[in-house]
Amino acid sequence: AQSVTQLDSQVPVFEEAPVELRCNYSSSVSVYLFWYVQYPNQGLQLLLKYLSGSTLVKGINGFEAEFNKSQTSFHLRKPSVHISDTAEYFCAVSSAAGNKLTFGGGTRVLVKP
Amino acid sequence: GAVVSQHPSWVICKSGTSVKIECRSLDFQATTMFWYRQFPKQSLMLMATSNEGSKATYEQGVEKDKFLINHASLTLSTLTVTSAHPEDSSFYICSALSGRASGEQFFGPGTRLTVL
Repeated sequence: AQSVTQLDSQVPVFEEAPVELRCNYSSSVSVYLFWYVQYPNQGLQLLLKYLSGSTLVKGINGFEAEFNKSQTSFHLRKPSVHISDTAEYFCAVSSAAGNKLTFGGGTRVLVKP
Repeated sequence: GAVVSQHPSWVICKSGTSVKIECRSLDFQATTMFWYRQFPKQSLMLMATSNEGSKATYEQGVEKDKFLINHASLTLSTLTVTSAHPEDSSFYICSALSGRASGEQFFGPGTRLTVL
């Protein structure tokens, strides 16, 4: 069985400041890792994914994440946030390509001017 | 490319009625689609995996007779909430599995169901 823990339910941050969203997972097999963003009353948009290779993954909108196998983490970062980054962010894991996703509880990011 | 639509985007119905939600992959074929449920300020919970031409696979605790899933074509899956009750009110999101090697899922915009 797999599980995903997002340690922060809410993260307030000032505009142009950096932000880090933490994600830890547990799995008995190799995993694929994903970060999604959800704006109010909308579906999910993929920010980035780790399948294999380089542990530092760059995504859309200036986001990046680093896969750390020893710490079973996949934290998401952005060096300078914008008001438009206010949204809910979900970390997810699957055991193989095309398999069902297990989501973390989500982190709500509120960017303040 | 890789656009998934859902219809309707929102629906209000009376208790005891049935509601059908459609999920379509607009520019690709999807042999597998997933249905999720999301309560306010909570995460997505997988309800079932829908495979074209075969019966859906339901997650533990999800009533298959209440949440009927049909995946009759490579671009359409439907979720029917039968005899809906207020506790079925939720945000329902589908995703479609791309044919890419990465196995990426593309998500629909969601359907908000309110049962009165």
